[in-house]
Amino acid sequence: EVQLVESGGHLIQPGGSLRLSCAASGFTFSSYAMSWVRQAPGKGLEWVSAVGATGGDTYYADSVKGRFAISRDNSKNTLFLQMNSLRVDDTAVYYCAKVYAWFDSWGQGTLVTVSS
Amino acid sequence: EIVMTQSPATLSVSPGERATLSCRASQSVSNNLAWYQQKPGQAPRLLIYGASTRATGIPARFSGSGSGTEFTLTISSLQSEDFAVYYCQQYDNWPPLVTFGPGTKVDIE
Repeated sequence: EVQLVESGGHLIQPGGSLRLSCAASGFTFSSYAMSWVRQAPGKGLEWVSAVGATGGDTYYADSVKGRFAISRDNSKNTLFLQMNSLRVDDTAVYYCAKVYAWFDSWGQGTLVTVSS
Repeated sequence: EIVMTQSPATLSVSPGERATLSCRASQSVSNNLAWYQQKPGQAPRLLIYGASTRATGIPARFSGSGSGTEFTLTISSLQSEDFAVYYCQQYDNWPPLVTFGPGTKVDIE
C-alpha cells in the first residue's frame, strides 16, 4: 500500500523559511516523479512543484519560482520542499503526491501558516 | 495557460439520484484529464484518469467521458459517502504544466 506522510509545517512569520518533508513507502520511490500540491484554507487545489524520478528535472509554478526548491533523496525515500521568502498567501495545506501526469496517491497534508 | 472551469459550483442531489458534473478546458487537452474527490479534512482521491479510466478501487458508479474541451463526471446513483467536492485536472502539457478546475461541491438536497 502506498503511504505518503508529510511533515514540517507550522506557523512562521512572513519572510521566513521552512522545509517540508514527505516520507514515502509501499512503492519503488526512485521510479516515480513526485509533486507538491497546496490548498489554501477554503480554496481549491494548486500545483506547486514537481521533480523527476532521478531528481534531475525540477519544475515550479510561477507563484513559487525562485523562492521554493524541490528535491528528493531516493536512498531515504523522501521528498522535500524548501520554502524561502514565505508570504502570507503561501498559507495552505501542502500535499505531496505520486505522479504519473495525474496524481494517483496523496499524503494527508501538512499545514503551513504564514502570519505575523 | 490552459484554464479549467467546472459547473455547477454546487450541485444538490438526493441519495440514489444521478449526478452529472461538467468540466471545460479553455483549449483542447485531448483526453488528458483526471477527476478527484475530496471530503472535508481529507486529501484528494483520484477517481478517473485519461478522461474515462477508473482508478484502482473506484466503484463502477463513477464514470468519466469527453475529450477535447468538454468533459463529464457522472455518478450513477449517489451514495451518502459520495457527498464531497470534485475537481478536474488537465495534464496535456505535463511536464510540468497541470491545472485544476475550481471544483464542484455535491451536497445533499
